[in-house]
Amino acid sequence: GESVGLHLPTLSVQEGDNSIINCAYSNSASDYFIWYKQESGKGPQFIIDIRSNMDKRQGQRVTVLLNKTVKHLSLQIAATQPGDSAVYFCAETTYGNKLVFGAGTILRVKS
Amino acid sequence: GAGVSQSPSNKVTEKGKDVELRCDPISGHTALYWYRQSLGQGLEFLIYFQGNSAPDKSGLPSDRFSAERTGGSVSTLTIQRTQQEDSAVYLCASSLDIFSYEQYFGPGTRLTVT
Repeated sequence: GESVGLHLPTLSVQEGDNSIINCAYSNSASDYFIWYKQESGKGPQFIIDIRSNMDKRQGQRVTVLLNKTVKHLSLQIAATQPGDSAVYFCAETTYGNKLVFGAGTILRVKS
Repeated sequence: GAGVSQSPSNKVTEKGKDVELRCDPISGHTALYWYRQSLGQGLEFLIYFQGNSAPDKSGLPSDRFSAERTGGSVSTLTIQRTQQEDSAVYLCASSLDIFSYEQYFGPGTRLTVT
């Protein structure tokens, strides 16, 4: 069945460094990918998205890269801050339907 | 503006009891989704609504789970004869419609079955 997985369950970075969170997906028919951030006790919060016809998209301090050849998605956070500490999920979907989420990566920022 | 709200925020129930979880989507959002997040797991799709109809119920784990939506707004997820494996955080999300990719999540209801 469909699955979206993450390579690293926990990532610890020093404040100010860049963070890279990786994700592998299996459904080549997915046309939309999203990164969510989830802080303790809260629901997932949208960070950035990318359509399957793109390979890179930049936001404020965040960049998402999509490599359809190897079905790989990554989230890059520049100048990581303590407030970035959270669980990050990648998700895929087809045409606005249900989201298929990965297991999540814990990002810990050390001051 | 107001986001997605869910109630209760926490629910502890005894095995075998029925529970109802409520979701209030963002006003004007016609699509509503339910997900379940078990400890240490990702989010698992349960069901979604477009208006009051549920085109996709494929994620409901068993016939003990049901959901309804009335008036195109509030939705209720009901779990009958709860089991310990039902313990999880139940998250609701809404989007403008099913053609909108961006889903906005509520804070979730943490269900504990003892």
